[in-house]
Amino acid sequence: SQKIEQNSEALNIQEGKTATLTCNYTNYSPAYLQWYRQDPGRGPVFLLLIRENEKEKRKERLKVTFDTTLKQSLFHITASQPADSATYLCALDRGGSYIPTFGRGTSLIVHP
Amino acid sequence: GAVVSQHPSRVICKSGTSVKIECRSLDFQATTMFWYRQFPKKSLMLMATSNEGSKATYEQGVEKDKFLINHASLTLSTLTVTSAHPEDSSFYICSAKLTGSSYEQYFGPGTRLTVT
Repeated sequence: SQKIEQNSEALNIQEGKTATLTCNYTNYSPAYLQWYRQDPGRGPVFLLLIRENEKEKRKERLKVTFDTTLKQSLFHITASQPADSATYLCALDRGGSYIPTFGRGTSLIVHP
Repeated sequence: GAVVSQHPSRVICKSGTSVKIECRSLDFQATTMFWYRQFPKKSLMLMATSNEGSKATYEQGVEKDKFLINHASLTLSTLTVTSAHPEDSSFYICSAKLTGSSYEQYFGPGTRLTVT
């Protein structure tokens, strides 16, 4: 069955460091992968989309990589700030459909 | 741009009553909206896809008679939880897809439903 795996344990890092979050998937051949940020009690906010033919994408302090051989995406936040503390969700399309399926998310806590 | 609102943000209702949640796209037209449900520390689970002017498409296992969806205009979709029970207590989130855009969705702030 199709699975999206994100580390359920919170990632704790010190302010100024680079945070790296992982999204692994099995039994998927996604055309694209998305990353969202979700704050407690709020809806997700779209951050980045990367397509299957793209290896890397950047937006300000964010960088996403997409390795379709490893079936993995890495999400990096450089120069992290306490305001970056949130849950980060990855989402994959359903085999060509534009409707994404979401992982459970990983909580990031940036300590001042 | 691309702002989606939900109303109410929180609602408490008694078991057996019905509750309506509104989802609006404020500055764009959305032919397609989605309704999700999220339990604590769990992923968003798609409940249904709401298409303007036609019937909603429900995901497997979601009771269409219990979760009524209406998408009467290009900026409004409603979800009505009928005959609510405590197990329907959850965080309900809608999202809207820009007309013509393939992938990007914009989410509302969510509605916390508590059924007592």
